[in-house]
Amino acid sequence: NAGVTQTPKFRVLKTGQSMTLLCAQDMNHEYMYWYRQDPGMGLRLIHYSVGEGTTAKGEVPDGYNVSRLKKQNFLLGLESAAPSQTSVYFCASSYGGSPTDTQYFGPGTRLTVL
Amino acid sequence: AQSVTQPDIHITVSEGASLELRCNYSYGATPYLFWYVQSPGQGLQLLLKYFSGDTLVQGIKGFEAEFKRSQSSFNLRKPSVHWSDAAEYFCAVGVSGGSYIPTFGRGTSLIVHP
Repeated sequence: NAGVTQTPKFRVLKTGQSMTLLCAQDMNHEYMYWYRQDPGMGLRLIHYSVGEGTTAKGEVPDGYNVSRLKKQNFLLGLESAAPSQTSVYFCASSYGGSPTDTQYFGPGTRLTVL
Repeated sequence: AQSVTQPDIHITVSEGASLELRCNYSYGATPYLFWYVQSPGQGLQLLLKYFSGDTLVQGIKGFEAEFKRSQSSFNLRKPSVHWSDAAEYFCAVGVSGGSYIPTFGRGTSLIVHP
């Protein structure tokens, strides 16, 4: 079991460029999440998905899009990157949406936008 | 909406000393409470969680936390800290109903001196 994996681990973009972050889980989890982590801010939810083909907005969705075409994958897209999107991005998954369902986190992607 | 506060940005302890990390939450009813640990360069790992029942919760790695409703607190404790405990610690709170998504605190960085 690889758990939750994220690709790439590091990326540097120029303002206006686009990119896609890939999250994959092999635990057959229904729920998947994208968070961003900024110094002194903790984790903030960007988007989440409660199942294949579904997506929903979190606390800070502006500037990001997501897709969940396959149950095991959750993609986070930046159409036109901005320096304010410099952050560490974490993907997580859980079996369901109950508080008893533990969230499992990936190792993170460190993104720098110049 | 629920919120969580971690008053301490940094905590420094000597190896072998006891540890208490503070967490206060804001929510009208009994919340679901969590502590996560993030080692350098890693994703978050669940240490323990509280839903109901016994207010003293045991977790992994020798950690425990106590839920005190009267103080709206869920402080994390460890009797004897090891150098490997140096990490970032996040408290999170969630509420029931709908799609459950936890809200994270800003984190407390634990520094362990030899």
